[in-house]
Amino acid sequence: DAGVIQSPRHEVTEMGQEVTLRCKPISGHNSLFWYRQTMMRGLELLIYFNNNVPIDDSGMPEDRFSAKMPNASFSTLKIQPSEPRDSAVYFCASRQTAGDTQYFGPGTRLTVL
Amino acid sequence: DQQVKQNSPSLSVQEGRISILNCDYTNSMFDYFLWYKKYPAEGPTFLISISSIKDKNEDGRFTVFLNKSAKHLSLHIVPSQPGDSAVYFCAASGEKAGNMLTFGGGTRLMVKP
Repeated sequence: DAGVIQSPRHEVTEMGQEVTLRCKPISGHNSLFWYRQTMMRGLELLIYFNNNVPIDDSGMPEDRFSAKMPNASFSTLKIQPSEPRDSAVYFCASRQTAGDTQYFGPGTRLTVL
Repeated sequence: DQQVKQNSPSLSVQEGRISILNCDYTNSMFDYFLWYKKYPAEGPTFLISISSIKDKNEDGRFTVFLNKSAKHLSLHIVPSQPGDSAVYFCAASGEKAGNMLTFGGGTRLMVKP
């Protein structure tokens, strides 16, 4: 079992550029979550999908952030335009059903210069 | 307002001794609690959980205690091993809280040989 796959593992970009982070959840999992980890705020939930439908995006910080899940095996988190304060580690997680354990990907470390 | 708090950002313990990591929560709708462990450059991995109908759950060297009246839980690791050195996140969930995980800020545990 490959687990949750995220790409890229590291991204360095300049302020104002568009950034796209990608996630492939575990096959058969119905829910997908995007988290952001920073020193100041710890692990924050940004958005989560259930059966490819966004359920709660109240954690998305600004309109510069958007997320899509076009199918059950792929999701993207896009930041446009990026800013230095977006620098963080972004995790994707998936779970099979409500109440089950969430399984996390290895994360994408984003640095915006 | 943080609903799940881990007030100790770091903890250092000697190998073989007990490690105790603490977590407090404020939302009374939480009824399921988890601990995740995170190594550098990896995503958090599930360690142990407890339902609010229990006050203790044990899995090998790891035991989680829940005190509902105090809204407090703790993770005990005994005996501690150098491989336990990691960041530990407490998380809370519940059907009435949308079955989403709310994480604490994490505690970095260092087990010295």
